Amino acid sequence: GNSVTQMEGPVTLSEEAFLTINCTYTATGYPSLFWYVQYPGEGLQLLLKATKADDKGSNKGFEATYRKETTSFHLEKGSVQVSDSAVYFCALRTDRGSTLGRLYFGRGTQLTVWP
Amino acid sequence: DVKVTQSSRYLVKRTGEKVFLECVQDMDHENMFWYRQDPGLGLRLIYFSYDVKMKEKGDIPEGYSVSREKKERFSLILESASTNQTSMYLCASTSHRQGGEQYFGPGTRLTVT
Repeated sequence: GNSVTQMEGPVTLSEEAFLTINCTYTATGYPSLFWYVQYPGEGLQLLLKATKADDKGSNKGFEATYRKETTSFHLEKGSVQVSDSAVYFCALRTDRGSTLGRLYFGRGTQLTVWP
Repeated sequence: DVKVTQSSRYLVKRTGEKVFLECVQDMDHENMFWYRQDPGLGLRLIYFSYDVKMKEKGDIPEGYSVSREKKERFSLILESASTNQTSMYLCASTSHRQGGEQYFGPGTRLTVT
């Protein structure tokens, strides 16, 4: 089946620290992979995505590379800011048969950045 | 600017009431989704729809039903609200285009007392 496992939180960092949030997946076929971010009191926003192996998604200083050999899509940022404090969700989409368009989410990782 | 809107940000209902949560998207998307979000459990899919008048059960459909009479509108119905349905409800939409992202509404925080 399809599933996403991501690093349990919460993660607490100081400003300018390096961030990694691990995400691994199990999927049938060749999924597209996504990172979403949820700021307090809001819905989810797309942060970045990659649709095929070895693609790198990037946005707002965040990056993630689609690694088919390790079935991973780890989120990284070189220098976090207080404004990056949010919940981060890894997700996949398989576009096969009855699951067309459906996203499978990890449980989310709460990130808190202190000044 | 693409948009998914939900009828209420906050809602308080009593046990046993029938509750309607409305979601509207302006992107002409074929697919629409209803999730609930609870601390420690992430997002769980309740129902989704591939097209008008079509619906599919997600992972936790019990206690819920849906309606999709128009392409842009997807309603979630709690036939008889219970306290364990207190949660954040998120609506999303996406196209049939392979690899397309889902766009989310701001959420409705429902409290059932």
